[in-house]
Amino acid sequence: AQSVAQPEDQVNVAEGNPLTVKCTYSVSGNPYLFWYVQYPNRGLQFLLKYITGDNLVKGSYGFEAEFNKSQTSFHLKKPSALVSDSALYFCAVRDLRDDKIIFGKGTRLHILP
Amino acid sequence: EAGVAQSPRYKIIEKRQSVAFWCNPISGHATLYWYQQILGQGPKLLIQFQNNGVVDDSQLPKDRFSAERLKGVDSTLKIQPAKLEDSAVYLCASSLGPQGREAFFGQGTRLTVV
Repeated sequence: AQSVAQPEDQVNVAEGNPLTVKCTYSVSGNPYLFWYVQYPNRGLQFLLKYITGDNLVKGSYGFEAEFNKSQTSFHLKKPSALVSDSALYFCAVRDLRDDKIIFGKGTRLHILP
Repeated sequence: EAGVAQSPRYKIIEKRQSVAFWCNPISGHATLYWYQQILGQGPKLLIQFQNNGVVDDSQLPKDRFSAERLKGVDSTLKIQPAKLEDSAVYLCASSLGPQGREAFFGQGTRLTVV
């Protein structure tokens, strides 16, 4: 069965600095990977996805993610953090054999002014 | 394009009562998911529909939870009887289907069982 690990409960970054939120995954076949963001009292918003092709994918709000097959990782990145990026971030993996989308436990990103 | 609609937004019930949540997916989306998100945790998949058929319900506590998807469109999730540990946000999501398509989420229903 597929699984997702987000090793950090919280990440603190100063505004203007680059940020990274880590994610590793386990899936039998080719991974389809996603990042979502959740603001307080809101549902999950889709940020970006990796299906195939370039290992660096770009998404909404200036976020990007780097797929690394050998390390089974899909880390979320942004070159310059904004205070408004403070939220809860979830990594997810889709297994095409059963079409399930499984989420990690989430990482709270706190951008310090 | 209208998003995934869920109702109610909030619900407070006493333990042993029953409750139902409703979801209207994005038009044309064949796949519908119900997730349970307990505070401080990631969403946990409860049940997945493809059109009006159940694809996976391995994590659904079937002694108290039930779900249906009428005519492959709207869906309801029911809890009867509710327990204190059912307090969570219940998220509905839909996607066009397989092949790596992302899922789109509703705003969720926050259930508090007292």
